[in-house]
Amino acid sequence: DAGVIQSPRHEVTEMGQEVTLRCKPISGHDYLFWYRQTMMRGLELLIYFNNNVPIDDSGMPEDRFSAKMPNASFSTLKIQPSEPRDSAVYFCASSKGGQGFSPLHFGNGTRLTVT
Amino acid sequence: SQKIEQNSEALNIQEGKTATLTCNYTNYSPAYLQWYRQDPGRGPVFLLLIRENEKEKRKERLKVTFDTTLKQSLFHITASQPADSATYLCALGSDSSYKLIFGSGTRLLVRP
Repeated sequence: DAGVIQSPRHEVTEMGQEVTLRCKPISGHDYLFWYRQTMMRGLELLIYFNNNVPIDDSGMPEDRFSAKMPNASFSTLKIQPSEPRDSAVYFCASSKGGQGFSPLHFGNGTRLTVT
Repeated sequence: SQKIEQNSEALNIQEGKTATLTCNYTNYSPAYLQWYRQDPGRGPVFLLLIRENEKEKRKERLKVTFDTTLKQSLFHITASQPADSATYLCALGSDSSYKLIFGSGTRLLVRP
């Protein structure tokens, strides 16, 4: 089991550019979560999917952020246009639902820097 | 609004001692609470889960307590080792949603 795989590990971009972060969840997991971590705000949930369907996107900061899950093995988080305040570490996590208490398995994150 | 508080100051202890980390919450009635460990440059890693009807949970050198009256969880690491140095995050969840709300974490440093 390779775990949750995120790419790229680091992304540096200029303000106004489009940024796409990618995630491959653990096979067999039916929940996928996108979190953002900053020193000021800690780990914040942006959006989560169940069986590829977005369930709760109330944490998405604004319309510049969008997330998709076209199939069970791939998800993207897109920021367009990016702004310096979007600089953070973005984590993807997956879990196997059904029990209600399943732990999350996190990837190692994408560190985004917007200049 | 829901609030989770963990001590923002780092906990610095001597190897062999017991480390105790605190997680307090307000305006929330979680069905369960989870603890995660995070190392620099890595994602959080799940350690333990405790449900609202459980008072205590143990796993090897780790022990978690959950007091729903005090709205507090304590996380203990006994016989601490330098390898235990990391940031520890608590997270709360409910029955009605798969959303996990995380605290900001406490950094633990175990001196050899």
